Amino acid sequence: GAVVSQHPSWVICKSGTSVKIECRSLDFQATTMFWYRQFPKQSLMLMATSNEGSKATYEQGVEKDKFLINHASLTLSTLTVTSAHPEDSSFYICSASGGAKNTEAFFGQGTRLTVV
Amino acid sequence: QQPVQSPQAVILREGEDAVINCSSSKALYSVHWYRQKHGEAPVFLMILLKGGEQKGHEKISASFNEKKQQSSLYLTASQLSYSGTYFCGTDSGGYQKVTFGTGTKLQVIP
Repeated sequence: GAVVSQHPSWVICKSGTSVKIECRSLDFQATTMFWYRQFPKQSLMLMATSNEGSKATYEQGVEKDKFLINHASLTLSTLTVTSAHPEDSSFYICSASGGAKNTEAFFGQGTRLTVV
Repeated sequence: QQPVQSPQAVILREGEDAVINCSSSKALYSVHWYRQKHGEAPVFLMILLKGGEQKGHEKISASFNEKKQQSSLYLTASQLSYSGTYFCGTDSGGYQKVTFGTGTKLQVIP
């Protein structure tokens, strides 16, 4: 199957700082990437959809100025958590779509963010 | 709207069977099933594309009732490795924008 690499696997940052998470499709071109957030013992919740070269579409309740998404190339999307606070601590995970219909979603390994 | 799964949690002894249900309030275009181990990314199990479809993956199979907007995952002769949280996911447009269900935590004990 297609490979999606997410970096870093985990990060600890101080409250008020910004953190960038990268999501790369290694062996295919990802026309669309999705960013999810998962709090402990909860389901994965879609945060935003990003298409290469255009602005991301955010789900209701997700602050677009806090969670900056860039999808500048067909193999890379980044999520920047700005001015992070302890309540932003979560498991962030991306998935990528190569544009083929009715196939599985290819997930990165996820990033565990802890804000102290 | 997030699909609702039942049961929320289940404990099985090795070799026992289980059924996990997924119900949506919206029409389902397709259904994905994933298993997630603690701290890891979800692992794809299977996708069902149309009503009445059934699929099998080793001892794990699933069915999709499009009219009832439901899907079920069947685990037979469970193994310790089946432990984890199972999620169904709906894909409204077919291009992997997955809305995950509430999840079912399954624990298999010796």
